[in-house]
Amino acid sequence: QQPVQSPQAVILREGEDAVINCSSSKALYSVHWYRQKHGEAPVFLMILLKGGEQKGHDKISASFNEKKQQSSLYLTASQLSYSGTYFCGTEIRGTYKYIFGTGTRLKVLA
Amino acid sequence: DAGITQSPRHKVTETGTPVTLRCHQTENHRYMYWYRQDPGHGLRLIHYSYGVKDTDKGEVSDGYSVSRSKTEDFLLTLESATSSQTSVYFCAISESGQINEKLFFGSGTQLSVL
Repeated sequence: QQPVQSPQAVILREGEDAVINCSSSKALYSVHWYRQKHGEAPVFLMILLKGGEQKGHDKISASFNEKKQQSSLYLTASQLSYSGTYFCGTEIRGTYKYIFGTGTRLKVLA
Repeated sequence: DAGITQSPRHKVTETGTPVTLRCHQTENHRYMYWYRQDPGHGLRLIHYSYGVKDTDKGEVSDGYSVSRSKTEDFLLTLESATSSQTSVYFCAISESGQINEKLFFGSGTQLSVL
């Protein structure tokens, strides 16, 4: 039931863009994105509640396609501080269980 | 930010011994969660709570039990620890006050079962 994220890992140079995808086999009601830096706890980035909705956070934005059961995270003009592991999170519809995707490791190089 | 304290931060124990991890929050949040994080598996839900004495199983609940006798404390117990339970354990609360929205995590407990 765990949402699958792609790619599993990505390496960028500062200033480059990246897209991280989150796909679920189950219907999604909402999708959230988190970032976890090495040795730290995950930190909430943003929430998308409606299908097709896009949200932005600095130069990080996300979209949610409810019909396709997918969400994508867009990192524009990446900075060194963007390095970390990104997780999508969602509630399994029909339950109160909140689960996370498989994770994407992102490393930004100077 | 919500105040969450996990204790202990690090623990080494032997196979077969009981272990209890504590999660303490200071802002009366209703919804609390326990996750484990392992390389290659991301964050997996063990148990969650939606109020005092109201708990339910997550994806990987076998070998774990929880209790919530007070709003502020959510305890995770490994009845008889096994090496497969070596992991980093995170407690979280739903910071917005709504279930499953904007989770805020504690600093984690590194548990090693030898």
